Amino acid sequence: GQSLEQPSEVTAVEGAIVQINCTYQTSGFYGLSWYQQHDGGAPTFLSYNALDGLEETGRFSSFLSRSDSYGYLLLQELQMKDSASYFCAVYNFNKFYFGSGTKLNVKP
Amino acid sequence: GAGVSQTPSNKVTEKGKYVELRCDPISGHTALYWYRQSLGQGPEFLIYFQGTGAADDSGLPNDRFFAVRPEGSVSTLKIQRTERGDSAVYLCASSLTGPRNTGELFFGEGSRLTVL
Repeated sequence: GQSLEQPSEVTAVEGAIVQINCTYQTSGFYGLSWYQQHDGGAPTFLSYNALDGLEETGRFSSFLSRSDSYGYLLLQELQMKDSASYFCAVYNFNKFYFGSGTKLNVKP
Repeated sequence: GAGVSQTPSNKVTEKGKYVELRCDPISGHTALYWYRQSLGQGPEFLIYFQGTGAADDSGLPNDRFFAVRPEGSVSTLKIQRTERGDSAVYLCASSLTGPRNTGELFFGEGSRLTVL
């Protein structure tokens, strides 16, 4: 089976840095993606790691350690518009398995 | 259109009724997914199409659920004899070939199904 664990909620202030962790157990693994979803909206793609290491895309970075079955999403220079839910998702055997999501609250 | 389009955006039905949800993927995308999302949860995989065929339908919860993609573009998710537990947002996503290399799916806004 598949399981992904991430914190249910994180709060941070505007301008700060926040890290959202994701640990997973899966039979078969091709990569780990991160998605952002605002309330009532569609999930939107942020980042993907197929290999170990850090991927940087603007204010967002994502890290993967395949040996530790662990990844994280790092958000820098937080803005109010970053308040949303963030999902890690494991890709294997043709499909993504999503975690339950981390609700990020950004306060002024 | 530029993005994935889903209709209806909202559907309210009575227990036992039949429902169809439609997905129009991004033009040229061969991979199409259906997911279901309940409040406070992550998307749950239902079915994956590559072209016209269902490459993986292991997520369909039971035989009341069925999906088609007859011409390799638009897909319809069909739910028979709806139950209150079917209430959720049904998300459709597409990818150019398959997301293995890029990890990216393009999601629609979803169809919110409420079964009374």
